[in-house]
Amino acid sequence: AQKITQTQPGMFVQEKEAVTLDCTYDTSDPSYGLFWYKQPSSGEMIFLIYQGSYDQQNATEGRYSLNFQKARKSANLVISASQLGDSAMYFCAMREGGTGNQFYFGTGTSLTVIP
Amino acid sequence: NAGVTQTPKFRILKIGQSMTLQCTQDMNHNYMYWYRQDPGMGLKLIYYSVGAGITDKGEVPNGYNVSRSTTEDFPLRLELAAPSQTSVYFCASGSGTSGGVTDTQYFGPGTRLTVL
Repeated sequence: AQKITQTQPGMFVQEKEAVTLDCTYDTSDPSYGLFWYKQPSSGEMIFLIYQGSYDQQNATEGRYSLNFQKARKSANLVISASQLGDSAMYFCAMREGGTGNQFYFGTGTSLTVIP
Repeated sequence: NAGVTQTPKFRILKIGQSMTLQCTQDMNHNYMYWYRQDPGMGLKLIYYSVGAGITDKGEVPNGYNVSRSTTEDFPLRLELAAPSQTSVYFCASGSGTSGGVTDTQYFGPGTRLTVL
């Protein structure tokens, strides 16, 4: 089974609107971390936000927030007030506590912000 | 502070050739990782290391070797290159604590490898 599933290959959003990128995960480990990365067309991987399985509140970092629904095993990324520079690939990743040395990545979502 | 650096940025190999992808980090991180990213796909872990002298296989280790003689360096060796190894290779590092889940990874700029 896939550890991380991103079901939206491509998304479009109007500039200044909010957008949600979906991520579901699969683990039986009670301790895990969830991460989102941005990959612009230049190719580098940029860390955006982190959520721990024991965190009581949803993580926020500036315009990024993580909608963490533990029972549904989902960790959706919400980008508010989209900007043209947000156009990129977005990857969800997970690190498990039991085998905490490995990260598992989803296949990514391509986001295009329309002026 | 350069972070994670990778060389070369681009390389074309012929089938059967060998090469080493270099990765260096200056953040004194214990953990280092090698990933490959095939077109339109996410990252798959090739090898990782939790400290100097310690390495372990990831999801897709076949055709690759690694060594970790220092904290800073984590080279990836390709022996007998094959077209299936055409990919973008990313090196990453993290401060890491064994069993900890909070440690994020910081990535190098990647090496684009083509095997013809």
